Amino acid sequence: DAGVTQSPTHLIKTRGQQVTLRCSPKSGHDTVSWYQQALGQGPQFIFQYYEEEERQRGNFPDRFSGHQFPNYSSELNVNALLLGDSALYLCASSFREINEKLFFGSGTQLSVL
Amino acid sequence: AQSVTQLDSHVSVSEGTPVLLRCNYSSSYSPSLFWYVQHPNKGLQLLLKYTSAATLVKGINGFEAEFKKSETSFHLTKPSAHMSDAAEYFCVVSRLTGNQFYFGTGTSLTVIP
Repeated sequence: DAGVTQSPTHLIKTRGQQVTLRCSPKSGHDTVSWYQQALGQGPQFIFQYYEEEERQRGNFPDRFSGHQFPNYSSELNVNALLLGDSALYLCASSFREINEKLFFGSGTQLSVL
Repeated sequence: AQSVTQLDSHVSVSEGTPVLLRCNYSSSYSPSLFWYVQHPNKGLQLLLKYTSAATLVKGINGFEAEFKKSETSFHLTKPSAHMSDAAEYFCVVSRLTGNQFYFGTGTSLTVIP
């Protein structure tokens, strides 16, 4: 049973570019959340998708957007990249927005130069 | 508003001695509380969770935590540290459904042989 899978594992971009990160939830899960983990910090909530809609959003600018597909997989898009966007981006999946069992992927390490 | 404070950014223990990682929380609601562990280049793994059932919660790998409402604390303990316990530990507060997780800044645990 595959867990939460994220791609790519590492990514290098330059300022002003756009990036798309991908996530496939654990089998049986239908809700995907995205978190940003800066170096030396705890993860911070970006947003959550359920039934292909954004349900909750953290304190992140509109440059951060997402999408959920009918197969429950999800994408995180970041436009106009800033140096401060360099971080580990974590995807987490759960069932029916119930956070009791939240499973995390290994993350995508984004470096913005 | 919800938040957690992890009182120690770094903890060092000798192998075979007890582990104590401290966490205080703040929540406007009856909280759900979690401890996650993050090994290098790995995703976040759930150690244990409190969701308004028994106040003493047992988790994986011999860890346990006690919910103390009067002290707003949820400290993580283990009777005897193992080398494999060396990792970053995060205390997390959330509502049970439909809401984001609020992570602490993490405690780095070092186990000395």
